[in-house]
Amino acid sequence: GQQVMQIPQYQHVQEGEDFTTYCNSSTTLSNIQWYKQRPGGHPVFLIQLVKSGEVKKQKRLTFQFGEAKKNSSLHITATQTTDVGTYFCAGRDYGNNRLAFGKGNQVVVIP
Amino acid sequence: DARVTQTPRDKVTEMGQEVTMRCQPILGHNTVFWYRQTMMQGLELLAYFRNRAPLDDSGMPKDRFSAEMPDATLATLKIQPSEPRDSAVYFCASGLPRDRKNTGELFFGEGSRLTVL
Repeated sequence: GQQVMQIPQYQHVQEGEDFTTYCNSSTTLSNIQWYKQRPGGHPVFLIQLVKSGEVKKQKRLTFQFGEAKKNSSLHITATQTTDVGTYFCAGRDYGNNRLAFGKGNQVVVIP
Repeated sequence: DARVTQTPRDKVTEMGQEVTMRCQPILGHNTVFWYRQTMMQGLELLAYFRNRAPLDDSGMPKDRFSAEMPDATLATLKIQPSEPRDSAVYFCASGLPRDRKNTGELFFGEGSRLTVL
């Protein structure tokens, strides 16, 4: 079945530095979504990517969808303490249209 | 401010007891999901409803779990009997199917934290 894997699972990032988190699917995706969950909170939708090679920016966050539509990345520049949390990708499989979540990338920001 | 409402927020119970969790989806949303979150497994899909009909419950242990939507404003997830391994945060999410107008994003409730002793 469809598997969505996220790398790394945990990251410690110095405030002010940049970091990237990656998402890989075992199957081709029709689209991919990214969510953020603050500690003790619930996942909140950030963005959706649909087109092959698509790049979208939200302030310091840059989201990219791979050309083969099987991987995605989230790059955050100038990390702030408010960036702490777990970032999930969720890929929608072309075949069964199911949305499968990765296990998330837990980010800790060091002041 | 429209949001998904879940009750209870926290539940501590003893093994063998019945647990019922409730969810009120956002008005107008016709897809409802139940997810279970643990440190080990992450977010696991338990059940998925569209227009109150169950479309996918393959991730749900059938022997003890059941999910229903008695009406469009209420979804329930029941565990009977509960076991310690059921301890987790259970999230309900609602949304609209992805089409030209909608992204298909999910709106999550704040979750129900279940502890089974």
